[in-house]
Amino acid sequence: AQRVTQPEKLLSVFKGAPVELKCNYSYSGSPELFWYVQYSRQRLQLLLRHISRESIKGFTADLNKGETSFHLKKPFAQEEDSAMYYCALSGSGSEKLVFGKGTKLTVNP
Amino acid sequence: DAGVIQSPRHEVTEMGQEVTLRCKPISGHNSLFWYRQTMMRGLELLIYFNNNVPIDDSGMPEDRFSAKMPNASFSTLKIQPSEPRDSAVYFCASSFVVGQGNNEQFFGPGTRLTVL
Repeated sequence: AQRVTQPEKLLSVFKGAPVELKCNYSYSGSPELFWYVQYSRQRLQLLLRHISRESIKGFTADLNKGETSFHLKKPFAQEEDSAMYYCALSGSGSEKLVFGKGTKLTVNP
Repeated sequence: DAGVIQSPRHEVTEMGQEVTLRCKPISGHNSLFWYRQTMMRGLELLIYFNNNVPIDDSGMPEDRFSAKMPNASFSTLKIQPSEPRDSAVYFCASSFVVGQGNNEQFFGPGTRLTVL
């Protein structure tokens, strides 16, 4: 079965501090992993995906198949990063997304 | 482009009533997804269509739920009869799929449903 676990419901950091949002997954094949973000009063939108291996808004995420993790990291958090972050997984060749329950990040001034 | 459009944005109804949620995907997209979001269960996929054909409805909770996509620009999710436990935010998303694999899904603003 496919499952995505985000262990932290809430995460609070100060501006300029490093931030890491944890994501672990369960999938027997080769997954595709994504991070989606929802800013206040905005729609859920794609932040980044592991296959593109790019940094978006200073965020990066590395797929660790050994630890079955896809943690989202940013070295210096900004107040505008405050949002709800969802980790998601799809099976190879599948359109379906399985979402974690999300982590609400608050960056304090 | 206005993106994915959902209506209504808010719906309050009484138990036993029929509820119809509507979605207009982004023009040119060929896949459409319906999700339900609750505090307890998070964001769950209910059903998705590709080229207007239902591909996977394994997430539809029970027979009270049904979804249709009569054409490429419109889809409905119907609950009949509605129950208080159906209260949630329902999201519609669309994507353009070429070949196999997952492509970026674009989400609508959601419909907040309250069943009294």
